[in-house]
Amino acid sequence: AQSVTQLGSHVSVSEGALVLLRCNYSSSVPPYLFWYVQYPNQGLQLLLKYTSAATLVKGINGFEAEFKKSETSFHLTKPSAHMSDAAEYFCAVIQGSSNTGKLIFGQGTTLQVKP
Amino acid sequence: NAGVMQNPRHLVRRRGQEARLRCSPMKGHSHVYWYRQLPEEGLKFMVYLQKENIIDESGMPKERFSAEFPKEGPSILRIQQVVRGDSAAYFCASSLSTGRETQYFGPGTRLLVL
Repeated sequence: AQSVTQLGSHVSVSEGALVLLRCNYSSSVPPYLFWYVQYPNQGLQLLLKYTSAATLVKGINGFEAEFKKSETSFHLTKPSAHMSDAAEYFCAVIQGSSNTGKLIFGQGTTLQVKP
Repeated sequence: NAGVMQNPRHLVRRRGQEARLRCSPMKGHSHVYWYRQLPEEGLKFMVYLQKENIIDESGMPKERFSAEFPKEGPSILRIQQVVRGDSAAYFCASSLSTGRETQYFGPGTRLLVL
């Protein structure tokens, strides 16, 4: 069964500092991996997705993530945090052989950006 | 191109009443997913539908919950005889096709059961 683990339910950084949000997956087949962002009282917005085309994936708002098969990780990074990045971030996986597209989400990481 | 629409955005029901949540997918999308976000929990898959068909309902509670996606009109998630534990945010997502296509999420319906 697919699963996703996000290490750290809360991450706090200073404005301008590096953002690193961790995500590890378990999968017996090549996974499709996603990062979504949720602002308060809103729906989820896709930041980026990994579909096996390239291991380094660039997304919106300056975010990127690197797929590392040896570490079963898909960590999200941004070189310089902005106040507007404060939100909840979800890593998700679709089973590689799935025909239903069911997303399995991590527990989420709340990013706080301090001025 | 309008995104995924959900209504109502907020819904208050008393225990025992029925809740009906609506979802209109993005234009051209015929695949709809429902997810639930309980307080202090992550998002959990509930059901996957295509037009007039339920494809995967493995995440749906066995009782009181049902979903449909008719040929015409929005997808409906129906909760009968609501209980306080049903209070949550319910999100709908749509995609162009199945499998690994990107799912686009609506703003959610926040259900509060008194």
